[in-house]
Amino acid sequence: DGGITQSPKYLFRKEGQNVTLSCEQNLNHDAMYWYRQDPGQGLRLIYYSQIVNDFQKGDIAEGYSVSREKKESFPLTVTSAQKNPTAFYLCASSFPGLLTDTQYFGPGTRLTVL
Amino acid sequence: GEDVEQSLFLSVREGDSSVINCTYTDSSSTYLYWYKQEPGAGLQLLTYIFSNMDMKQDQRLTVLLNKKDKHLSLRIADTQTGDSAIYFCAENLSGGYNKLIFGAGTRLAVHP
Repeated sequence: DGGITQSPKYLFRKEGQNVTLSCEQNLNHDAMYWYRQDPGQGLRLIYYSQIVNDFQKGDIAEGYSVSREKKESFPLTVTSAQKNPTAFYLCASSFPGLLTDTQYFGPGTRLTVL
Repeated sequence: GEDVEQSLFLSVREGDSSVINCTYTDSSSTYLYWYKQEPGAGLQLLTYIFSNMDMKQDQRLTVLLNKKDKHLSLRIADTQTGDSAIYFCAENLSGGYNKLIFGAGTRLAVHP
């Protein structure tokens, strides 16, 4: 089955620790995205990548870092510099060659900082 | 500025129609989307509409677009308990990469 996987589903971290969230897709999509979701709010874009070895900051990139070494993978690291990291993190991918360039989402990772 | 607004909550009786409304700001948006999110899950694409269309129907879903008022609506016919979820409206901003601006989501509660 084609799709987007995120792991782990739940993640707990102590303050001051970095943590990496995994996102993998087998849809052959060129573009990948990371969003943050807080209760009662819409999604906010953290980082996006339109092609391998290239990525751009979104609206709330401070305290986060990413890499895009493979087309299928776009891991997100939440660093200790992120002041309020507890949130639900969603990864998405799209195929910019299509007219609609629709984004498809993974199941999400819930990060809790203890 | 960039803003998508939705009402936060809607309660309907099972079997009735649900109408979820959304207003957006970028008149040059190419596509507008509706996503569904069930508890603890990711977003599922429900449907989208191209900006030069007024209406799109897909089984129980009907999307209406009023470009003059920048108003988008999603109608769910014969609403079922399985439709209980949060529904997000999103606009695709023109220019550059595919940037989506999401509303805060409308929580739909379906009761017997």
